[in-house]
Amino acid sequence: AQKITQTQPGMFVQEKEAVTLDCTYDTSDPSYGLFWYKQPSSGEMIFLIYQGSYDQQNATEGRYSLNFQKARKSANLVISASQLGDSAMYFCAMRGTQGGSEKLVFGKGTKLTVNP
Amino acid sequence: KAGVTQTPRYLIKTRGQQVTLSCSPISGHRSVSWYQQTPGQGLQFLFEYFSETQRNKGNFPGRFSGRQFSNSRSEMNVSTLELGDSALYLCASSPDRANSRSGYTFGSGTRLTVV
Repeated sequence: AQKITQTQPGMFVQEKEAVTLDCTYDTSDPSYGLFWYKQPSSGEMIFLIYQGSYDQQNATEGRYSLNFQKARKSANLVISASQLGDSAMYFCAMRGTQGGSEKLVFGKGTKLTVNP
Repeated sequence: KAGVTQTPRYLIKTRGQQVTLSCSPISGHRSVSWYQQTPGQGLQFLFEYFSETQRNKGNFPGRFSGRQFSNSRSEMNVSTLELGDSALYLCASSPDRANSRSGYTFGSGTRLTVV
């Protein structure tokens, strides 16, 4: 079975500082994908960044980067230069394969609060 | 291009009633997945439809069902509503085999309250 663990229920960061949100995963599949999503209070899940299990380099998307440590099965999200608009829930997810289709397995999420 | 559209945004139903939620995926996307989000259980996979066929189903009772039409729009139905069905229901669309690096595109969700 595939599992995502996010151990930080809540995180606080000062505006303009960097913050790391932790994510560890468990899977027996050699091929998998890891995603981070942002969910503001409006409810929509916004895709942030993707890391494939065979990617040689850590993924980056603007202010978002993914610290991928395959041997440790961790995929931490780093947000640089935090902005007030970054305050939201953040979910780490893994694409799992079951029965020929693909689904996302989510962690419990981390609530990030950016203070001015 | 238009995103994933879910209707309605909010819904209040009484226990025992049934409800139908709608999801229109991004044009060209053939896969539609549904997720239930609650404070206690988090985000849980309900089912996935691809080309009008259910490809996979999560661990939910038979009261939860869905379908997909030829234009890829999908509906999910919950019969005999229970208080515990109160949740945010999210729909996600993706192209054919979702090896895409762009992930799944989610709608804004339907917030269902059962009273």
